[in-house]
Amino acid sequence: AQSVTQPDIHITVSEGASLELRCNYSYGATPYLFWYVQSPGQGLQLLLKYFSGDTLVQGIKGFEAEFKRSQSSFNLRKPSVHWSDAAEYFCAVGKDTGRRALTFGSGTRLQVQP
Amino acid sequence: DTAVSQTPKYLVTQMGNDKSIKCEQNLGHDTMYWYKQDSKKFLKIMFSYNNKELIINETVPNRFSPKSPDKAHLNLHINSLELGDSAVYFCASSQGGSLGIQPQHFGDGTRLSIL
Repeated sequence: AQSVTQPDIHITVSEGASLELRCNYSYGATPYLFWYVQSPGQGLQLLLKYFSGDTLVQGIKGFEAEFKRSQSSFNLRKPSVHWSDAAEYFCAVGKDTGRRALTFGSGTRLQVQP
Repeated sequence: DTAVSQTPKYLVTQMGNDKSIKCEQNLGHDTMYWYKQDSKKFLKIMFSYNNKELIINETVPNRFSPKSPDKAHLNLHINSLELGDSAVYFCASSQGGSLGIQPQHFGDGTRLSIL
């Protein structure tokens, strides 16, 4: 069975600082990986996805993520955080056959200090 | 022109009542989902329908019954509500097919509070 681990429950960074949110997955085949962001009281918005090909993927709002098969990781990065990035971030894994539902990590709450 | 819309946004009711949450998507997707997000923000799949056919039914009490009248709608009916049902319920949709898994689009959620 697939699983996702987000080791950091809560991260605080200063505005303008760089950000890296960690995600590790467990899956027997090539995974389909996603990062979603959830602002307070809102639904989930897709930031980026990895299906195949280039292991560094670009997303919306200046985010990027790197797929590292050897480390079973898909960490999310942003070079300079803005106050509006404060939200909950979820990593998710899915597969392309049968059960297509996503398996989510437990989320990382990002706070941004002025 | 909301892509995935859920109603109501908030639902406050008493234990033992029966309630429904409606979901509609206008993206032309063939697969719809219900997820439950608990108080610790953990998201877990409950049900999934593909072209009106149930394809995922997780270990969910049978008080929860999804209904898909057509592929653009997936409603969730809950009987005999219990305190533990308090959560945020998210509807989502995606397009299946031979291109592999496609991103899911989420509604804004329905916050269910049981008194």
